[in-house]
Amino acid sequence: KQEVTQIPAALSVPEGENLVLNCSFTDSAIYNLQWFRQDPGKGLTSLLLIQSSQREQTSGRLNASLDKSSGRSTLYIAASQPGDSATYLCAGEGGSEKLVFGKGTKLTVNP
Amino acid sequence: GAGVSQSPSNKVTEKGKDVELRCDPISGHTALYWYRQSLGQGLEFLIYFQGNSAPDKSGLPSDRFSAERTGGSVSTLTIQRTQQEDSAVYLCASSPRTQNTEAFFGQGTRLTVV
Repeated sequence: KQEVTQIPAALSVPEGENLVLNCSFTDSAIYNLQWFRQDPGKGLTSLLLIQSSQREQTSGRLNASLDKSSGRSTLYIAASQPGDSATYLCAGEGGSEKLVFGKGTKLTVNP
Repeated sequence: GAGVSQSPSNKVTEKGKDVELRCDPISGHTALYWYRQSLGQGLEFLIYFQGNSAPDKSGLPSDRFSAERTGGSVSTLTIQRTQQEDSAVYLCASSPRTQNTEAFFGQGTRLTVV
């Protein structure tokens, strides 16, 4: 059974700092890993999808990596801004064909 | 449509009443998922559809919960005889197919059982 863990649960940084959010999963037979952002009271916004054959994906100031052998993914945010404040969720899709989510990292970027 | 649409956005119901939650997926997406997010908790998988069939219903919490999908499009999640512990945000997602494709979520339905 796939389990996904995100560390830390919460993170507070000053504006402009580069930061890394961590995601680990127990089953390396993973098809893809997807990172989402959730603002308070809102649904989930897809940020990046890394397929199992890929090692990383980039979108603007975001870079996500996937290491299946170690069961880890990281989301790197460069030059953080107050507008980046949100909860970031990672989810892995495996043979069960459903996304298994971590509990998220709540990020606060202080002006 | 442009995105996944869920209705209603908010629902307050009395304990014991039945409720129906609706999800309109992105046009052409064959896979549709329902998740539940309780206060302070992670996302809990409920059920997914491939076309009109539901290969995995393992996440439905009890037999009071049911879901259907018609025409490979709109899905309805029904909760019968609602209980206070059913209060949560119910999220729907769709993707072009299962396996290795990006999933897109709606804004959710916030259900409050009083």
